[in-house]
Amino acid sequence: ILNVEQSPQSLHVQEGDSTNFTCSFPSSNFYALHWYRWETAKSPEALFVMTLNGDEKKKGRISATLNTKEGYSYLYIKGSQPEDSATYLCASSFSGGYNKLIFGAGTRLAVHP
Amino acid sequence: SQTIHQWPATLVQPVGSPLSLECTVEGTSNPNLYWYRQAAGRGLQLLFYSIGIDQISSEVPQNLSASRPQDRQFILSSKKLLLSDSGFYLCAWTPQGASGYTFGSGTRLTVV
Repeated sequence: ILNVEQSPQSLHVQEGDSTNFTCSFPSSNFYALHWYRWETAKSPEALFVMTLNGDEKKKGRISATLNTKEGYSYLYIKGSQPEDSATYLCASSFSGGYNKLIFGAGTRLAVHP
Repeated sequence: SQTIHQWPATLVQPVGSPLSLECTVEGTSNPNLYWYRQAAGRGLQLLFYSIGIDQISSEVPQNLSASRPQDRQFILSSKKLLLSDSGFYLCAWTPQGASGYTFGSGTRLTVV
C-alpha cells in the first residue's frame, strides 16, 4: 500500500512568521509530487508539481523542494499572512499509475493576526 | 477554456437510500476522471478513476460504484447508503498524459 505522510497535522503561527511543512512518500516508482492549497468550501488549488530530484519551485512567498532519493518534499511559507490559512495537501503519483494521486492527510495552517 | 462541474454541493440522505453524484467536464475530450472522498479527520482517498468511456477502476472495496456513460461525464452511485459513506466527495480531471488535477467544487454528503 502506497502511503504519503504529512507533518505536522496542524500548525498555528503568528502573522509574519515563516513556516514549513514536510511530506514523505515512497521513492520507488516515483513519478511526480504535487502540492495543493485547500480552503474550506473551495476546490483544492494546485501550487506546484515537481518531478526531478532537487527540484525547487517558488510562487510568491511560497516555495517547495523535492528529494526523490529519500522520498520527501518541503513546503515553505515566508512571512505568513492570515490569507495563507488553509490546508496544504501533498500528493504523489507513481509510474504506470494512470496519474492517480495518493494524497497525504494534509497540514492545516492557521495564521493569527 | 476547460471547466468542471460537480453537483449537488450538499446532500443529506437517510441510511439505505440511493445516491447519485454527477461530475461533468467541458472544453476538453478524453480526460482522465477521478472520484475522491475525504472522511472526517482523514485525507483524500481515491475511490475510482477512469481513462475512457465505460473504463472504470475501483481503488478500494466499498459500498459505492462509478460509471462513465459519456466521455466527459462521471457519476458516483450507491444503491443503499451507509453511515460510513458520509464525507466530502471531490471529482477531478486531468488531460491524458498530464499531471495536475483540476478539482470540482465538491459535495458534502451526510448520511443520517
